[in-house]
Amino acid sequence: GQNIDQPTEMTATEGAIVQINCTYQTSGFNGLFWYQQHAGEAPTFLSYNVLDGLEEKGRFSSFLSRSKGYSYLLLKELQMKDSASYLCAVRDRKAAGNKLTFGGGTRVLVKP
Amino acid sequence: ETGVTQTPRHLVMGMTNKKSLKCEQHLGHNAMYWYKQSAKKPLELMFVYSLEERVENNSVPSRFSPECPNSSHLFLHLHTLQPEDSALYLCASSQSERTSYNEQFFGPGTRLTVL
Repeated sequence: GQNIDQPTEMTATEGAIVQINCTYQTSGFNGLFWYQQHAGEAPTFLSYNVLDGLEEKGRFSSFLSRSKGYSYLLLKELQMKDSASYLCAVRDRKAAGNKLTFGGGTRVLVKP
Repeated sequence: ETGVTQTPRHLVMGMTNKKSLKCEQHLGHNAMYWYKQSAKKPLELMFVYSLEERVENNSVPSRFSPECPNSSHLFLHLHTLQPEDSALYLCASSQSERTSYNEQFFGPGTRLTVL
């Protein structure tokens, strides 16, 4: 099976930077996804990493180290609208159906 | 708006009722999914369909019965549910269930309350 851990909650100030860590254990790693989910809304795709390194997309960046089973999502120049839950999900090539296993999500609260 | 719609958005039902959740995707995708999101728990995959055939069933109780009549529509039929089944039920779709990079697009979910 898979085990995915991420912090439950983080608080940061508008304009600051926040880093959300995700650690995972899987036997057939085949990609890691980050999703953003505002309260009462659908998760929306943020990033995908399958090779080691940093993927940058505007204010959001995601990093992966496969040897360490570790990823982080970096949110820069925080805005109030970034207050949401951030979900880390791992795909396992040994699982049927493009199965994504999700972590519990990290609720980020951005304060003025 | 992700191109995946779900109805109803909210549903309250008794334990003896029978109801159905509907999902429709307008993205031309070949794979569709049902997830359950309970309070303070990770998203749990329930069912996966690829080209209208069920690929994965994550040991879901038989009181949940999926139906995929075509690649654009997915239903979840509910009967004799329990209060612990109260949750947000999310539908998702992706281009294929096979390729490694395969972003899933989620619908807004149905908030289900079982009394």
